[in-house]
Amino acid sequence: DTAVSQTPKYLVTQMGNDKSIKCEQNLGHDTMYWYKQDSKKFLKIMFSYNNKELIINETVPNRFSPKSPDKAHLNLHINSLELGDSAVYFCASSTRRGFNNEQFFGPGTRLTVL
Amino acid sequence: QQQVKQSPQSLIVQKGGISIINCAYENTAFDYFPWYQQFPGKGPALLIAIRPDVSEKKEGRFTISFNKSAKQFSLHIMDSQPGDSATYFCAASMGIDDMRFGAGTRLTVKP
Repeated sequence: DTAVSQTPKYLVTQMGNDKSIKCEQNLGHDTMYWYKQDSKKFLKIMFSYNNKELIINETVPNRFSPKSPDKAHLNLHINSLELGDSAVYFCASSTRRGFNNEQFFGPGTRLTVL
Repeated sequence: QQQVKQSPQSLIVQKGGISIINCAYENTAFDYFPWYQQFPGKGPALLIAIRPDVSEKKEGRFTISFNKSAKQFSLHIMDSQPGDSATYFCAASMGIDDMRFGAGTRLTVKP
């Protein structure tokens, strides 16, 4: 059983389009995250939700909007995609709020904007 | 802005050798220092972590050495194996909602 799953694994789209990435965790964790990993492998936190409540919202363009319908799901919607949005996006979860708790990462979604 | 500086960017080690990756941080408020391992096409996974009240933590072939006064910590991989070839990230967190990652080190272990 996959602990943290993401769909799709690959996403290729044109500039200006709107797309969504879905994330689900079956670990019963309270906290979920979205990270962006750029072409140089640099990892940066984007958002964090705890029990469906937004707790971290780093400096990210407001074209990115996370949505957590329930504790097990955290989706990422991106409007008006730009070339610079091309990256691998990782979802992660942890038992509770706080980075001193182990995070479990999903397999990533590679987004390519043409 | 608090940074975590990681070096080297890439590392090539012979099988059986010792791999050493270094990280330095600036803010003494950081209180948790994890290392993550990432294989190609996969998400990062927690490898080992340390808190600043200890100077060393060992788990199997992996050891973190922590130097609080120098604000540095390092990952040592003893008896490196080809299966250890991956990208390694150090990180530092403070409080509950702030974590900074290093830029990553691509390790290649040659057979």
